[in-house]
Amino acid sequence: RKEVEQDPGPFNVPEGATVAFNCTYSNSASQSFFWYRQDCRKEPKLLMSVYSSGNEDGRFTAQLNRASQYISLLIRDSKLSDSATYLCVVIVGGNEKLTFGTGTRLTIIP
Amino acid sequence: DTGVSQNPRHKITKRGQNVTFRCDPISEHNRLYWYRQTLGQGPEFLTYFQNEAQLEKSRLLSDRFSAERPKGSFSTLEIQRTEQGDSAMYLCASSLGPADGYTFGSGTRLTVV
Repeated sequence: RKEVEQDPGPFNVPEGATVAFNCTYSNSASQSFFWYRQDCRKEPKLLMSVYSSGNEDGRFTAQLNRASQYISLLIRDSKLSDSATYLCVVIVGGNEKLTFGTGTRLTIIP
Repeated sequence: DTGVSQNPRHKITKRGQNVTFRCDPISEHNRLYWYRQTLGQGPEFLTYFQNEAQLEKSRLLSDRFSAERPKGSFSTLEIQRTEQGDSAMYLCASSLGPADGYTFGSGTRLTVV
């Protein structure tokens, strides 16, 4: 079983719609959680950290469910510029390496 | 430019040749990480340094791979006797620590023909 699992998509969503991604992780010792965004042929960039209490940054909301070991990302009022691959990332406690999911590819359609 | 710099951006090499990539981290970052990414996959951890000490190596890092960070500043990743399966994007990231976030370089795209 992969340490971090995501639906690879692709998700093709009309502009203005709301889209949600889920991600599950297998190691219960995972302590830190992130969503990264990666544009085609570019490096990953941090979108947001995910906290136990949930957090929101503009149109983006991230939530963590430790009991079920999943993380979610919600994008409201999607824009064409949101088209990218969204990578779910965890850090296992006592560790420093980022463990990435395969990424979910999102295309916003005009 | 205060970001993470990687050179070269692209490298095409013949199977069996050796290649070396360089990463210059953000200057005040003491941690440096190497990842490899193939098409349709997320980045996979290869190794990381804290200052000049190499603290962890993935089992993905076969004997043909070696990484160094001699003075705790820039790092090099060398692949000896390249194979077609080594074709990938090699990403470098630097950080002050897990709580401070990681900054990735633009990567070196390796194609082995």
